[in-house]
Amino acid sequence: GESVGLHLPTLSVQEGDNSIINCAYSNSASDYFIWYKQESGKGPQFIIDIRSNMDKRQGQRVTVLLNKTVKHLSLQIAATQPGDSAVYFCAETYSSASKIIFGSGTRLSIRP
Amino acid sequence: KAGVTQTPRYLIKTRGQQVTLSCSPISGHRSVSWYQQTPGQGLQFLFEYFSETQRNKGNFPGRFSGRQFSNSRSEMNVSTLELGDSALYLCASSLGWSTGTGAVGELFFGEGSRLTVL
Repeated sequence: GESVGLHLPTLSVQEGDNSIINCAYSNSASDYFIWYKQESGKGPQFIIDIRSNMDKRQGQRVTVLLNKTVKHLSLQIAATQPGDSAVYFCAETYSSASKIIFGSGTRLSIRP
Repeated sequence: KAGVTQTPRYLIKTRGQQVTLSCSPISGHRSVSWYQQTPGQGLQFLFEYFSETQRNKGNFPGRFSGRQFSNSRSEMNVSTLELGDSALYLCASSLGWSTGTGAVGELFFGEGSRLTVL
């Protein structure tokens, strides 16, 4: 597949362990945050979202944590599997906007 | 339900030429957004269209333009191509933007059009 990004920070995790991917967002007016996953050769895929009136949201094997005080977002993936190998992007927007701004991405690599 | 379709998937152009990329959104989606993805700059927002109107535009020069048709299909055009325009151009569709409980950020992306400028 094609490389999404050649200079991305990489997180290497043992299969079965939990992964934590961190993101600092830029706009204090942002009130809606999303995590996307991009596999090689594909477009980004929605994983989970969270609104600014929440600090935690859980999905299937994924949890997003939001700390508005320090403008920090994290994605936790439980029991990481080989299929989780991808580039993960955090993204932000605000209710009256019609655009989503993406962070720079983190590559998640799974060790067998 | 068919996903977002982008054509062409790959194309090679030379400097100074122009290119038109096409995007067919998911049926029923009225919002189409375009992004440029490069290794150095990541995913950069180009513009967003809703019901044939451009509602938002990113910080790109006027050489980058787009439009949306009444059937929600969208095209983007880049004129006077430069080497730095080489990138993966991604189109994403969504139902639209809402301040309610809908997943406003659930963009559905196509696989992109990879443009190489020589």
